[in-house]
Amino acid sequence: GAVVSQHPSRVICKSGTSVKIECRSLDFQATTMFWYRQFPKQSLMLMATSNEGSKATYEQGVEKDKFLINHASLTLSTLTVTSAHPEDSSFYICSASQQYGYTFGSGTRLTVV
Amino acid sequence: LAKTTQPISMDSYEGQEVNITCSHNNIATNDYITWYQQFPSQGPRFIIQGYKTKVTNEVASLFIPADRKSSTLSLPRVSLSDTAVYYCLVGGYNTNAGKSTFGDGTTLTVKP
Repeated sequence: GAVVSQHPSRVICKSGTSVKIECRSLDFQATTMFWYRQFPKQSLMLMATSNEGSKATYEQGVEKDKFLINHASLTLSTLTVTSAHPEDSSFYICSASQQYGYTFGSGTRLTVV
Repeated sequence: LAKTTQPISMDSYEGQEVNITCSHNNIATNDYITWYQQFPSQGPRFIIQGYKTKVTNEVASLFIPADRKSSTLSLPRVSLSDTAVYYCLVGGYNTNAGKSTFGDGTTLTVKP
């Protein structure tokens, strides 16, 4: 079946630094990918829609300059959290759009100290 | 985007059948209904998808009434490892699935 690989699975960074998270579709091409953030005991919150070869579409309230999304190929989308702060600590999940549904990555636990 | 409503939590015991219902009153004609399972610190995992009537696979059944305003995920003979959060998603899938928003999900706790 379709597989989405997300890397790293967990990362700890210092406040003020930037962190890049990669999302790859391993056996299919994904023209559209989605990025979610999930806080403890809460549901997934859609942050942005990543379209191959074009600018990402951000949900209301999500800072596009802070959460940089690049979707340069049909198999790779990246999310860069810039100038990270402790409040950015969360679980970030990507998904790839396919016909009839989505395949999700395994998530990235970001801790900003 | 169709809004979904599920019970926040459910408890069950090993070996029992569990039915989780999701309401989606504003479902559109071309929307499919998909259920996902999520364990802590993992991404959601596909369980089952349907458009109408009944769908069954090796892990679950999905019941969708004629008006499609709700759906019920049925898990036969649950085990402790089925303790997880279950989400139903409603979305229109043509060539590619468009964006979809998650509801609050149902936390299922299976007890021994």
